[in-house]
Amino acid sequence: DQQVKQNSPSLSVQEGRISILNCDYTNSMFDYFLWYKKYPAEGPTFLISISSIKDKNEDGRFTVFLNKSAKHLSLHIVPSQPGDSAVYFCAASGGGYGQNFVFGPGTRLSVLP
Amino acid sequence: DGGITQSPKYLFRKEGQNVTLSCEQNLNHDAMYWYRQDPGQGLRLIYYSQIVNDFQKGDIAEGYSVSREKKESFPLTVTSAQKNPTAFYLCATKFNEQFFGPGTRLTVL
Repeated sequence: DQQVKQNSPSLSVQEGRISILNCDYTNSMFDYFLWYKKYPAEGPTFLISISSIKDKNEDGRFTVFLNKSAKHLSLHIVPSQPGDSAVYFCAASGGGYGQNFVFGPGTRLSVLP
Repeated sequence: DGGITQSPKYLFRKEGQNVTLSCEQNLNHDAMYWYRQDPGQGLRLIYYSQIVNDFQKGDIAEGYSVSREKKESFPLTVTSAQKNPTAFYLCATKFNEQFFGPGTRLTVL
């Protein structure tokens, strides 16, 4: 049973518009969430995080929103650029030292020029 | 220049042979991880180690083995018992976030 779900395997967006990537989780013990970006044949790179004490975190063009009651988070990229085309992974952890991250299956974003 | 090194980038082996994937880090992080990525399946945890001389099985440990004799090194051996070894393997450390190496693409012929 997947604890972290990304129900959209792929997403296409026009350059300059907003990209919204969604992530749902089932484990109510999760309290720390990350987004990663991955290019083919490379390791994922960390984008942005949010802890459960917040409902929004912003870093440049990237904003993550957390809705704890719905067990849902989303990553907004504004404006989208062709270089943003990659696979995006959502990850969640129960927090505390030693807790492992659980990764979603990823969403492939294509930003069209 | 701190980071995680995985070598080689591409590795080919014949079926039935064991192969060891290298992972070295100079981030001074205690925890190290091995993941496997297959198309459409995200990252699945193979083994992890929170401290030197200790490691734990992840979700898909069968057919794999690890050692953690030094803080900097966490090699993964893919044994002949692993039924579908062809995959992209990622080594990672953890300090708040997870930091990933560049990965090794293993192809078993």
